[in-house]
Amino acid sequence: GQQLNQSPQSMFIQEGEDVSMNCTSSSIFNTWLWYKQDPGEGPVLLIALYKAGELTSNGRLTAQFGITRKDSFLNISASIPSDVGIYFCAGDRIQGAQKLVFGQGTRLTINP
Amino acid sequence: NAGVTQTPKFQVLKTGQSMTLQCAQDMNHEYMSWYRQDPGMGLRLIHYSVGAGITDQGEVPNGYNVSRSTTEDFPLRLLSAAPSQTSVYFCASSSIRDPNQPQHFGDGTRLSIL
Repeated sequence: GQQLNQSPQSMFIQEGEDVSMNCTSSSIFNTWLWYKQDPGEGPVLLIALYKAGELTSNGRLTAQFGITRKDSFLNISASIPSDVGIYFCAGDRIQGAQKLVFGQGTRLTINP
Repeated sequence: NAGVTQTPKFQVLKTGQSMTLQCAQDMNHEYMSWYRQDPGMGLRLIHYSVGAGITDQGEVPNGYNVSRSTTEDFPLRLLSAAPSQTSVYFCASSSIRDPNQPQHFGDGTRLSIL
């Protein structure tokens, strides 16, 4: 089955640095979502994108829905220790169908 | 405000045993789904349901059965557990009436098949 191509797989950064990760697909998605997962917990929604070209912020997080509908990126500015975790992109081919396809995840580690 | 509740949190089975993973939500959501998460991979959809009495297969349905007799509950059954089913299982729910409302996930069930 298809999964989204998410990169990088892991990141090791210093506290205070900015972070950027992205997700690409060979097919079109009509919804892009970004989730964060902490150890032992389920994914928690960070940002949802519903329109091509849409740029949405949630505090220090900013995500964009690619104009081709085949990609999305997530930026985190001024990273802090609680940003540590695994970030997943997810796409929904039919908006509202809720049949999500996930990326492989980006593991973020922050050195204080 | 319980949200999506999964039980058990951990389970160890022997090959060939059967068991049911429970999922309950208290948000009156029509849509419920089951995913599995394996190391180095994102979540993959097993089965989903758009309402009581209606279920359908996702990306990796083999070896799993589901039923939806009530809006609140969506159990996942392993009829004859295999080592390849060792994984972390997540249940999710969302409102179909608001298609822009993304899914809420439970905290997962860690299942090991020996």
